[in-house]
Formats: sequence, C-alpha cells, structure tokens
Amino acid sequence: DAGVIQSPRHEVTEMGQEVTLRCKPISGHNSLFWYRQTMMRGLELLIYFNNNVPIDDSGMPEDRFSAKMPNASFSTLKIQPSEPRDSAVYFCASSLVPGGQETQYFGPGTRLLVL
Amino acid sequence: GEDVEQSLFLSVREGDSSVINCTYTDSSSTYLYWYKQEPGAGLQLLTYIFSNMDMKQDQRLTVLLNKKDKHLSLRIADTQTGDSAIYFCAERLVGGATNKLIFGTGTLLAVQP
Repeated sequence: DAGVIQSPRHEVTEMGQEVTLRCKPISGHNSLFWYRQTMMRGLELLIYFNNNVPIDDSGMPEDRFSAKMPNASFSTLKIQPSEPRDSAVYFCASSLVPGGQETQYFGPGTRLLVL
Repeated sequence: GEDVEQSLFLSVREGDSSVINCTYTDSSSTYLYWYKQEPGAGLQLLTYIFSNMDMKQDQRLTVLLNKKDKHLSLRIADTQTGDSAIYFCAERLVGGATNKLIFGTGTLLAVQP
C-alpha cells in the first residue's frame, strides 16, 4: 500500500492567496483527519471525516479554513485568504473504523509557508 | 477534560535505555499509542497498548501502563542514534462515531554518540 498521500509536499505563497492542500487516504479506510503542527501549539486536530461526512470541525481556526471530502479517496483543506500565521506543517491521517485499535496512519505532511 | 502531557526533552547516551513518560486525564481511554516523528517526516506509529493491559513488549520497545495513575511510559532499550526523534503519546477517546486521538506535546529524544 502506498500509505497516505499528500500534495504538495511544500508550498510557499504570499499573504492573501488561496492555498489548497490535498490528501488521498489509504484505500479502504473510512476516517480521515486533518492536523496542523506548529512549534507554538504542537499537533492540533482541525477536522475529521467519517464515511466522507464531517464529524467534528471544532478545531478549524476560522472561516478562512474549509475542508471537503467529495469521495472516499480524496480530501482537500483550503485556506482563503492565507495569512502568515497559517504557516505550519499540515498532516492528513486515515484509519478504519471500527477496526480493533483503529490506528491512524499519517501522511508525510505539507509544509506551508505564507509570506 | 482532555489533556495529555509529556516532558519536552530527553537526552541519553548511545547504548543506554531511554524512558519517555506521559500522563493523560481521560480515564475512559481505550487505546494508548506511541508515535515517532523524525525530522521533516510525518508521524509513524511505533506501538499501542489496550487499556486492559499493564505492559506490552515489542523488540527494543516496552510500554508500561498504570491506569490508576493515568501514566504511560515508553522504554527504548539499547538506544541508538537513529532513535533520535520526537515521540508523541496519544489517547483514544471513547464515544462518538470515530476515533479521535488526543496527542501529547511530544518529547524530543536526543541520543548522544
């Protein structure tokens, strides 16, 4: 299995621009998670989906952030407009629920820098 | 409340044992996990323990769980320079439609040659 795939791996953009991060979960997994990692706040859960339906988006910072999961094999996290404080590493993870220990498998992350 | 705490740093010499500690607050946690993050990479699952277990051993890794004190530890035997990374503990909360994990702050393990 290829694991969780994220693109792009790196993104440098200017303040005010729209940023779209993409994730392909592991085939057969039905839960998908978006996390943000910064030095100041550590690893934060932004939103998660179960069977393509958003379950908890309480971690989404503000209306500039939106996430979609149009099908079981694809999700996007969009920031519009982007701000320098959005600079972070964004991780996508997927798991199979229910399924024993229901481990979350992480992608390699997208490193975002907003200038 | 949901809170997972870890010390920020641990420094050991190559060949020594490392013990990384974690405390959590939710007594209803079912599974507890240890993840490893190497520089520039995503989180990689190292091991997990079910809440009805006290100990789990996997090669150089030993996980100890004290449910009474809500304390989880990860022991790495014969620590190598390749073990240098950030280690996160996480607890899985019970309830809801899926498995929301609460992660600790991460412990940076530095292995000195």
